Amino acid sequence: DIVMTQTPLSLSVTPGQPASISCKSTQSLLHSDGKTYLYWYLQKTGQSPQLLIYEVSNRFSGVPDRFSGSGSGTDFTLKISRVEAEDVGVYYCMQSIQRPYSFGQGTKLEIK
Amino acid sequence: QVQLQESGPGLVKPSQTLSLTCTVSGDSLRSGGHYWTWIRQHPGKGLEWIGYISYRGTTYYNPSLKSRVTIFVDTSKNQFSLKLTSVTAADTAVYSCARENGSGSRGTFDIWGQGTMVTVSS
Repeated sequence: DIVMTQTPLSLSVTPGQPASISCKSTQSLLHSDGKTYLYWYLQKTGQSPQLLIYEVSNRFSGVPDRFSGSGSGTDFTLKISRVEAEDVGVYYCMQSIQRPYSFGQGTKLEIK
Repeated sequence: QVQLQESGPGLVKPSQTLSLTCTVSGDSLRSGGHYWTWIRQHPGKGLEWIGYISYRGTTYYNPSLKSRVTIFVDTSKNQFSLKLTSVTAADTAVYSCARENGSGSRGTFDIWGQGTMVTVSS
């Protein structure tokens, strides 16, 4: 199975400041179809996860453009250009190149 | 608007079978090319993909649970269900059903239930 490792596990950010989360996989997430199956989800307190980014860098419908994703192969990054109060929660990366899909441990974002 | 709603007992005794149902509204289990999935989250922990049943009725389970898991559908009620046998305290978790959108990129969980907490305890 593919293991996903996120860093840091928590971060505290002042509103308006940037934030960055790293995600590494134990195998390349580049599929033979040319796509890289790395996703980012945000789980707000008391809610189910919501999709932010699919295939490394594509924002899902309705996701603000302050969220961006980058990376390739086994190393990926989620960036928030200017953190807002509504961004608090736990961020998960997920691989879907092979089943069983697997998630990172989660990164808890708090506001200073 | 597509909605998913989990239901089932919140408390299960060790060695017994955990049974949960996800009722789907606003979509059909047999159309759309979607994968109807169960995911769980242990208290204070991350997310674990349990398995799915596809729009064609095929299933795939996480190998770590494969010997204990069954996912099946009741198309007449537009529901899909999870059975997990021989449960232990390690199966205590919030169980969520979700739709993996088959018309999107693989891994697109675009609709989720609210999740239901299941505690395994005598």
